Amino acid sequence: NAGVMQNPRHLVRRRGQEARLRCSPMKGHSHVYWYRQLPEEGLKFMVYLQKENIIDESGMPKERFSAEFPKEGPSILRIQQVVRGDSAAYFCASSTQGALGQPQHFGDGTRLSIL
Amino acid sequence: AQSVSQHNHHVILSEAASLELGCNYSYGGTVNLFWYVQYPGQHLQLLLKYFSGDPLVKGIKGFEAEFIKSKFSFNLRKPSVQWSDTAEYFCAVIRNTGNQFYFGTGTSLTVIP
Repeated sequence: NAGVMQNPRHLVRRRGQEARLRCSPMKGHSHVYWYRQLPEEGLKFMVYLQKENIIDESGMPKERFSAEFPKEGPSILRIQQVVRGDSAAYFCASSTQGALGQPQHFGDGTRLSIL
Repeated sequence: AQSVSQHNHHVILSEAASLELGCNYSYGGTVNLFWYVQYPGQHLQLLLKYFSGDPLVKGIKGFEAEFIKSKFSFNLRKPSVQWSDTAEYFCAVIRNTGNQFYFGTGTSLTVIP
């Protein structure tokens, strides 16, 4: 049973470009979470999605960031007009049910570097 | 605001030493608690979890944690560490009414052979 798959593992972008990060949840999981980990910090929640719905985006920056989880295909975290401060590791997690009491299974993360 | 504190940022131990990593959270209601481990270059893996019942929880690889509600703590312990326990350890909390995990900043453990 494949785990949570994230790609790419490493992504390099120049300031002003767009970054698209993909996450395929574990088989049977319909709940996806995105986290960001800045250097020397813990993971910070960004957004929680179910298929075709954003449930909680309270951790998402108000501008330039968006997320989707379409009916078919992976969840996408999109960062427009990237800036140096966006450099971080972005982790996706999935679970079978909502977050209440359910362990989340994490992907290996995408390390985004902004030149 | 909800927060999770891990007071030990870096811990260095010799093999066979005992380990205790602190975790405190700030939310006063009912919570579920987790410890995750991240080995170098790998994704986070669940070590153990507490939902309810016996506050002493046993996890994989000989780890255990004790939930002390009065102290808002969920410390991770292992009686005798091994070199292979070298990793980053994260405490996480979720409120029983919430959608999101709150993670601590992590504790980097280095075990010296």
